[in-house]
Amino acid sequence: DAKTTQPPSMDCAEGRAANLPCNHSTISGNEYVYWYRQIHSQGPQYIIHGLKNNETNEMASLIITEDRKSSTLILPHATLRDTAVYYCIVRVVSNQGGKLIFGQGTELSVKP
Amino acid sequence: GAGVSQSPRYKVAKRGQDVALRCDPISGHVSLFWYQQALGQGPEFLTYFQNEAQLDKSGLPSDRFFAERPEGSVSTLKIQRTQQEDSAVYLCASSLFRDYLSRGTQYFGPGTRLTVL
Repeated sequence: DAKTTQPPSMDCAEGRAANLPCNHSTISGNEYVYWYRQIHSQGPQYIIHGLKNNETNEMASLIITEDRKSSTLILPHATLRDTAVYYCIVRVVSNQGGKLIFGQGTELSVKP
Repeated sequence: GAGVSQSPRYKVAKRGQDVALRCDPISGHVSLFWYQQALGQGPEFLTYFQNEAQLDKSGLPSDRFFAERPEGSVSTLKIQRTQQEDSAVYLCASSLFRDYLSRGTQYFGPGTRLTVL
């Protein structure tokens, strides 16, 4: 699975959009981009995933560049409850085991 | 039950003791994963079950670590002769289908924090 690079920390003002970048320059054509987040003292929580098209759900939007070498997770109106570590993961979806390989993630602090 | 549950939530063991950590996945979930998370680090994969079959145990750090899921539902992670470096949060996750159908969506429990003195 391809390696990802994320900034270690970011701040965001409450109510503003939080844009979390992720570089995955070695991504392969059959690898998806996933985002999970981990709020303090909880297990990771799935947010969104995509292959090459932009995706949106009730939690966030995922923008993947045309060359697929980077992506951005967008939380449109960040709240204090969005304070967490955000993990960008790239992996193949297969018929075999689907383990997730987490990096260090980005610690997002949403401030009032 | 609404989600994945794990017990105990906290465990303190003396070095050399054996421990057993339990995971109750979401009912009907085929796939079950164990991860280890050291302080300040991201979770690291330990092992994977599809129903009762352990298909991948490549992440288990030593032969002191053993996992089972005998009836394809509840799973137990056992650590024998615990060492201080085993101190971590142990996370369990489950998913409904095989990976290609679940598309990588895993549901995590709150974890068990193990402290070895």
